[in-house]
Amino acid sequence: GAGVSQSPSNKVTEKGKDVELRCDPISGHTALYWYRQRLGQGLEFLIYFQGNSAPDKSGLPSDRFSAERTGESVSTLTIQRTQQEDSAVYLCASSSGPSTAEAFFGQGTRLTVV
Amino acid sequence: AQRVTQPEKLLSVFKGAPVELKCNYSYSGSPELFWYVQYSRQRLQLLLRHISRESIKGFTADLNKGETSFHLKKPFAQEEDSAMYYCALSGRGYQKVTFGTGTKLQVIP
Repeated sequence: GAGVSQSPSNKVTEKGKDVELRCDPISGHTALYWYRQRLGQGLEFLIYFQGNSAPDKSGLPSDRFSAERTGESVSTLTIQRTQQEDSAVYLCASSSGPSTAEAFFGQGTRLTVV
Repeated sequence: AQRVTQPEKLLSVFKGAPVELKCNYSYSGSPELFWYVQYSRQRLQLLLRHISRESIKGFTADLNKGETSFHLKKPFAQEEDSAMYYCALSGRGYQKVTFGTGTKLQVIP
């Protein structure tokens, strides 16, 4: 695909259940980001992967949140024991590395916890 | 640590009026600054970057290292400019891009 792809587009889950969100970055992009965007709010940084370096997890809000990335490809964001406050759009972005590279965003996964 | 501050959550201007979206940053080295835009129902996308010194859709932004600012400006707002705008910062090399919390621009007809 030409762009960053996220799946599912929408996810409705019951409070307490675990969810897994997927991000397929642009091929060859070494950097990958996850952000959270609550309704009417700005971007909230969650986690950053850069090549084979240890990920920057400083934005993860609690230990219920985790993310993995396989090499320089797919990433999954897992939220365990979901809470209503986890309801948001989760955005993934990738870039080709050096800071002057443009970050390309996916369309997001809208998560609703009921 | 790098930080980006966008003090206004919402900015409302009338069509034809000048626009200035504020962005201040904190970074100990030489920063790379960007503006991203998210139109309704569209993906977040790059608007402009300071190294390009370009004008995109009539918008310009100048890096002021003395004031650590990178404000986005347009002399005459248009209705289609209504969107969410994010200022972003990165260091040189393989550095994390840090985004501000965004400013919603509302252009009133």
